[in-house]
Amino acid sequence: GQQLNQSPQSMFIQEGEDVSMNCTSSSIFNTWLWYKQDPGEGPVLLIALYKAGELTSNGRLTAQFGITRKDSFLNISASIPSDVGIYFCAGQRQTGANNLFFGTGTRLTVIP
Amino acid sequence: ETGVTQSPTHLIKTRGQQVTLRCSSQSGHNTVSWYQQALGQGPQFIFQYYREEENGRGNFPPRFSGLQFPNYSSELNVNALELDDSALYLCASSSPGQGKSPLHFGNGTRLTVT
Repeated sequence: GQQLNQSPQSMFIQEGEDVSMNCTSSSIFNTWLWYKQDPGEGPVLLIALYKAGELTSNGRLTAQFGITRKDSFLNISASIPSDVGIYFCAGQRQTGANNLFFGTGTRLTVIP
Repeated sequence: ETGVTQSPTHLIKTRGQQVTLRCSSQSGHNTVSWYQQALGQGPQFIFQYYREEENGRGNFPPRFSGLQFPNYSSELNVNALELDDSALYLCASSSPGQGKSPLHFGNGTRLTVT
């Protein structure tokens, strides 16, 4: 199945630094979602984006839905140790449809 | 509000056997979907159930089948298990009829096929 290209694959940062990751696709999506997954757990929804150009924040997290509808980015400001985990982007062709296409993930390590 | 719950959490099966995984959707959610997540990969869509019928399927063979019950809970059945079926199986629920309703995932069932 189609997978989205997510970069970087992994990041090692110092606590307090800002983080940026992005996701690109060859196809257009109508919804972009960002999830975080901790070991042994399912993905947890962080931010949902429904409109091209939309910029949405959730605490220290900010995500944007690209104008072309083929990309999205996620920023984390002032990282803390509990930000450690794998971050996945996911695209949805039809809002409300459950067949999400997931990215390959970005593994974030925060060094205290 | 009760989240998505899955059982069992871990399972070990032998190649050729059959397995049934179970999922209770989040309170108020009427649509359930199943995903397979291989180690180091993002989840891949298996299928979706709404009103007790399959209404969307990814690129998985027919030996992957499912059920949805009147209380919206769901089962994933896999027949003739293969080694490559070893993965984390995630259930997610939503309620698309209520507008924007992103998927909420359970913690998954870790299936190991030996």
